[in-house]
Amino acid sequence: GQNIDQPTEMTATEGAIVQINCTYQTSGFNGLFWYQQHAGEAPTFLSYNVLDGLEEKGRFSSFLSRSKGYSYLLLKELQMKDSASYLCAVLNTGFQKLVFGTGTRLLVSP
Amino acid sequence: GAVVSQHPSRVICKSGTSVKIECRSLDFQATTMFWYRQFPKQSLMLMATSNEGSKATYEQGVEKDKFLINHASLTLSTLTVTSAHPEDSSFYICSARGTSGATVEQYFGPGTRLTVT
Repeated sequence: GQNIDQPTEMTATEGAIVQINCTYQTSGFNGLFWYQQHAGEAPTFLSYNVLDGLEEKGRFSSFLSRSKGYSYLLLKELQMKDSASYLCAVLNTGFQKLVFGTGTRLLVSP
Repeated sequence: GAVVSQHPSRVICKSGTSVKIECRSLDFQATTMFWYRQFPKQSLMLMATSNEGSKATYEQGVEKDKFLINHASLTLSTLTVTSAHPEDSSFYICSARGTSGATVEQYFGPGTRLTVT
C-alpha cells in the first residue's frame, strides 16, 4: 500500500520560519515533489528531491532522507502570500504516477 | 513554457447529464496525461492515467464507464463525467508530462470546478 502523511494545519507568523514534514511509505520511489496550492487553483511546483540531502531554492528548501521515508519543506522569511496548502507527492516507479499526501494548510498571520 | 489549459474552468450541470472537460498542453507534446479529483480541504486523488493512443488506466475505485477518458492526440485529453450526480461535484485537475524520457515533472492545468445540481 501507499501512505503519505503530513500535518493537517500549521500556523506561523510573518517573517518566521516554518518546517512542514512529510513521511511516506510507498511501493516504489522515484523522487519526491513539493507543490504549493492556493484555494481553487492548481498546484504549482516548488521542488523535486530524488537524492538524500537538502535542496535550497530562494526562501524555500526541501530535504529528503530515503532511508527514513522522510522529507520536509522549509519556508523562510514567511510572507502573507505563503498562506496556502503544501502538498508532498511521491513519484512511484514503474507507472510513474504521482501519489499525493494529505496536504498541509499553512496560515501565515501578521 | 510547459503550459496546460483546461476548459471549462467552471461548469454547473443538472443531475443525470454528462459533462466534458478538456485538457490541453499548449506548448509541448504530452505523452501522458493524468486526471485528478479534489474534494474541499482534501488532497488530490489520482483518477486515471492516459497515454496518447491507448486506453486509460484507472485507479482502484474509479468507475471507467462513468468517467470516460480520451487521449486522442499528444496535446489533448478529455474527461467526460457521464450521468453526473451531486456527489460528483468536485474540482477536477489534469496534468501532463512531456515526451522527453528524461523528464519526471508534471505540469498542472488550472482545474475545472464541477457543480452538479
